[in-house]
Amino acid sequence: EAQVTQNPRYLITVTGKKLTVTCSQNMNHEYMSWYRQDPGLGLRQIYYSMNVEVTDKGDVPEGYKVSRKEKRNFPLILESPSPNQTSLYFCASSSSGAVRNTEAFFGQGTRLTVV
Amino acid sequence: GNSVTQMEGPVTLSEEAFLTINCTYTATGYPSLFWYVQYPGEGLQLLLKATKADDKGSNKGFEATYRKETTSFHLEKGSVQVSDSAVYFCALSVLTGGFKTIFGAGTRLFVKA
Repeated sequence: EAQVTQNPRYLITVTGKKLTVTCSQNMNHEYMSWYRQDPGLGLRQIYYSMNVEVTDKGDVPEGYKVSRKEKRNFPLILESPSPNQTSLYFCASSSSGAVRNTEAFFGQGTRLTVV
Repeated sequence: GNSVTQMEGPVTLSEEAFLTINCTYTATGYPSLFWYVQYPGEGLQLLLKATKADDKGSNKGFEATYRKETTSFHLEKGSVQVSDSAVYFCALSVLTGGFKTIFGAGTRLFVKA
């Protein structure tokens, strides 16, 4: 089954404690991205990756890091989480082969609370 | 710049009512347009899409037409069901300095039996 898998689904952590949210896709997609969803703001892109070892900032990259060492994995790293990073996070992937027809496939989300 | 504006919710309708959720956009270049739906506790999934002017996307009774002259992509359904209760996101994709997808703020729909 084609899917994007995020882990964990729920996470409560304390300010300053480094954490990683994993994302894996099994569709051989080149393009992967991370979003955060906040009430009234919709989804905002944090980082994206066009392919292995190619990453770039989205609209709200501050406080986040990513890496793309393998095509299927795109972890999101919070080196020193702060309460304003409390949010619902989504990973998405898509094929870049035909941009105009490209549908994004989303993971189920990670609800992060930083206290 | 690129942006998507959609009507604020929540929208509350009775079963079998007609649904319209407005969406307008601004874009540099020629975007593709999408509607995604998010059911409670789940990620977003594609509902329909349109890639050029006057294209009509349709799925599960929902429709939206790519109107370049009014920069709009309004979502419609003739008769909603309780199972349509969800959050709906309008989005555009452009290839400008990198492939970007821009989402609207989302519109929550409640359908009452």
